[in-house]
Amino acid sequence: GAGVSQSPSNKVTEKGKDVELRCDPISGHTALYWYRQRLGQGLEFLIYFQGNSAPDKSGLPSDRFSAERTGESVSTLTIQRTQQEDSAVYLCASSFTGGGTGELFFGEGSRLTVL
Amino acid sequence: GQSLEQPSEVTAVEGAIVQINCTYQTSGFYGLSWYQQHDGGAPTFLSYNALDGLEETGRFSSFLSRSDSYGYLLLQELQMKDSASYFCVSGGSYIPTFGRGTSLIVHP
Repeated sequence: GAGVSQSPSNKVTEKGKDVELRCDPISGHTALYWYRQRLGQGLEFLIYFQGNSAPDKSGLPSDRFSAERTGESVSTLTIQRTQQEDSAVYLCASSFTGGGTGELFFGEGSRLTVL
Repeated sequence: GQSLEQPSEVTAVEGAIVQINCTYQTSGFYGLSWYQQHDGGAPTFLSYNALDGLEETGRFSSFLSRSDSYGYLLLQELQMKDSASYFCVSGGSYIPTFGRGTSLIVHP
């Protein structure tokens, strides 16, 4: 497709389970970002990829969170041993250039609910 | 580090003009962007100011003053569909940093 695609759109899981969230960026976009948005809040930066490398992982909240990107394309955000505080919408964005100045194109997000 | 301050909520009537202010404290500041997000939707890009001054895009305009670390988004001829959250975003370093967002409520 032409836009950023995220899956699943909704995920309900039990506390302690692992979840994987997927992001398919726009073809040719080298920069990819993951953000977390809690209800009624702003976007909290998690991790940034330039190509397949992640120069900045500083936003990952704990070692339960990890992410990878392969083929300068698809990225997966993995949350292990989920906690109720992980409940949020996880947004992925891609950009033609990194550097924080290029327009970000967002997916519709993955809404995670941890029971 | 980077932080951006914007009002949490603004209300206005249809047809009016509204201004959403944003002040920022950032290192390595490159410019200020604005994004719109409807409830349950994805943020979408509205405008970007790299230099001081006013950028106009249809009913929306955005302003930046680097010396004052300040910017604003101006929305004219408000329509009901403009009810949404608006985020100012600093393009410092390589991580776009979002403000907490301003909820704009447009009344008939």
